Amino acid sequence: DQQVKQNSPSLSVQEGRISILNCDYTNSMFDYFLWYKKYPAEGPTFLISISSIKDKNEDGRFTVFLNKSAKHLSLHIVPSQPGDSAVYFCAARSNFGNEKLTFGTGTRLTIIP
Amino acid sequence: KAGVTQTPRYLIKTRGQQVTLSCSPISGHRSVSWYQQTPGQGLQFLFEYFSETQRNKGNFPGRFSGRQFSNSRSEMNVSTLELGDSALYLCASSLSGARSYEQYFGPGTRLTVT
Repeated sequence: DQQVKQNSPSLSVQEGRISILNCDYTNSMFDYFLWYKKYPAEGPTFLISISSIKDKNEDGRFTVFLNKSAKHLSLHIVPSQPGDSAVYFCAARSNFGNEKLTFGTGTRLTIIP
Repeated sequence: KAGVTQTPRYLIKTRGQQVTLSCSPISGHRSVSWYQQTPGQGLQFLFEYFSETQRNKGNFPGRFSGRQFSNSRSEMNVSTLELGDSALYLCASSLSGARSYEQYFGPGTRLTVT
């Protein structure tokens, strides 16, 4: 039972344009969401997070939007740069789950120069 | 501040053997979580340790076990290895108890079972 879903396994975006990565979840107990970026042969790197009491969080070129009623979140990267090419994982935490994170299967983002 | 370190980085074992992986968290972090990453499955949660106690456990068989030491370092053990155990095993640490839920990952241990 995949509680966090990233339905697009891959995405290609032109350099300088906006990249939008999507994530859906089914568990209404999730109260905190995170995005991680992963390069080959490295562990995931924390990118940005959002609490369920907010609908938007921004950090430089990265913005995460949360739509609780739709159980959907998205990561926007503007402008996209070649170094953004990586696999992006969406993760969620339940307020009863202590430190357990439930991850999506990832979206491979390729930025085309 | 040094990041999360994992040893060894690569490991090749044969079916039926057992393996122990090690993780040293970021200094001051008391929570250590372990994840298995396989192609198409994303990151699957194995277990989490806090103050030497297993606080949370994922849906993995009993062949997968772990422990945490008083200095927060953690080890993960897999007994009677199967081919399907081939994966990248990731360790993550976090402050826990603070208002910070971010986990910081190590580079992982790539385990190949032949």
